[in-house]
Amino acid sequence: DQQVKQNSPSLSVQEGRISILNCDYTNSMFDYFLWYKKYPAEGPTFLISISSIKDKNEDGRFTVFLNKSAKHLSLHIVPSQPGDSAVYFCAASAHEGFQKLVFGTGTRLLVSP
Amino acid sequence: GAVVSQHPSRVICKSGTSVKIECRSLDFQATTMFWYRQFPKQSLMLMATSNEGSKATYEQGVEKDKFLINHASLTLSTLTVTSAHPEDSSFYICSAPRLTGPETQYFGPGTRLLVL
Repeated sequence: DQQVKQNSPSLSVQEGRISILNCDYTNSMFDYFLWYKKYPAEGPTFLISISSIKDKNEDGRFTVFLNKSAKHLSLHIVPSQPGDSAVYFCAASAHEGFQKLVFGTGTRLLVSP
Repeated sequence: GAVVSQHPSRVICKSGTSVKIECRSLDFQATTMFWYRQFPKQSLMLMATSNEGSKATYEQGVEKDKFLINHASLTLSTLTVTSAHPEDSSFYICSAPRLTGPETQYFGPGTRLLVL
């Protein structure tokens, strides 16, 4: 049972445009959400997070939006850069889980010059 | 700053042998560490929670007798893949909880295991 899903396995965007990566979850106990960037054979790199008490968090080029009623979050990257090309994972945790993370299925982003 | 290291970074072994992977917290203590596994082009799946001084907690479907976890000190957790088989070939990543900041865990760089 995949509690966190990223329905788009891949996304291609031109440099300078906006990249929008989506994530859906099913467990209503999740109250903290994170986005990671990952390269093959490396550990994930933290990008940005959001608590369930907020609906938006912004950090530089990265903005995460949370829609609790729809159990949906998205990561916006603008402007996209070729160096952003990687696999992006959303992850969720529940307070009771003490930081145990449930990862989504991943979206491969390709930003072309 | 605080980081998590893993050793080895990659290992190739023959089927039937056991492989030990170390996860160390550098410059901080971790009473809890997490072990994840990632198969090619798939998600990171939590395997188990390593607890210093007590037994590890395994996720559903993970064989505790096959994946032995020992958290012998506040800075070291080890994962031993016993009697490894080709289907155990995967990327193993450990992490340690971070008590402050938006990033809740420090992740290690991962260990690539290939079982022939």
